Amino acid sequence: AQTVTQSQPEMSVQEAETVTLSCTYDTSESDYYLFWYKQPPSRQMILVIRQEAYKQQNATENRFSVNFQKAAKSFSLKISDSQLGDAAMYFCAYRQNSGNTPLVFGKGTRLSVIA
Amino acid sequence: DVKVTQSSRYLVKRTGEKVFLECVQDMDHENMFWYRQDPGLGLRLIYFSYDVKMKEKGDIPEGYSVSREKKERFSLILESASTNQTSMYLCASSLWGGLNTEAFFGQGTRLTVV
Repeated sequence: AQTVTQSQPEMSVQEAETVTLSCTYDTSESDYYLFWYKQPPSRQMILVIRQEAYKQQNATENRFSVNFQKAAKSFSLKISDSQLGDAAMYFCAYRQNSGNTPLVFGKGTRLSVIA
Repeated sequence: DVKVTQSSRYLVKRTGEKVFLECVQDMDHENMFWYRQDPGLGLRLIYFSYDVKMKEKGDIPEGYSVSREKKERFSLILESASTNQTSMYLCASSLWGGLNTEAFFGQGTRLTVV
């Protein structure tokens, strides 16, 4: 079974600084997707960024980028120019590229942003 | 925009009650999921469904059942609620497969069993 590990339960960053959240996963599959989701306090879970395993280029969405190391099974999220609104729980998730498979989530990292 | 709507934001139920959590999505997604979220444990999959009347057990199905009679609706049922089922419940939906396999989430139902 696939597993996703987030080794940092909590992180903090100063406003305007850069922070990296770690994620590793375990799978024997070669075709899959990886995601980072954000869950702000008392608000809905939303997608931050996604990565297709067959794409070597790291995904980027504005201030959010990933470092995808397929051989190492590592998928870290970098947040640049951190803002107060970035404070949230961040979940790393994996999904095999097969129609009827669910997302497998890590336990999450709580990010605090210090003004 | 994709919308996943859960019927209640907060629920308080008594031990032994039968509890229904409803979820509706409006994007014709094939897949629907129920997750449970607890501090320090992340999101754990209870059940998912990839088609009407189809269901698959997730990691923690004990004490729960599901129903999917229509494509847009996926219900989670607690047959006899217990205090250890106090939790946040998240419903999600996604397309069958391909590039856009992200899951879209509802706002969550915080269930308290007393």
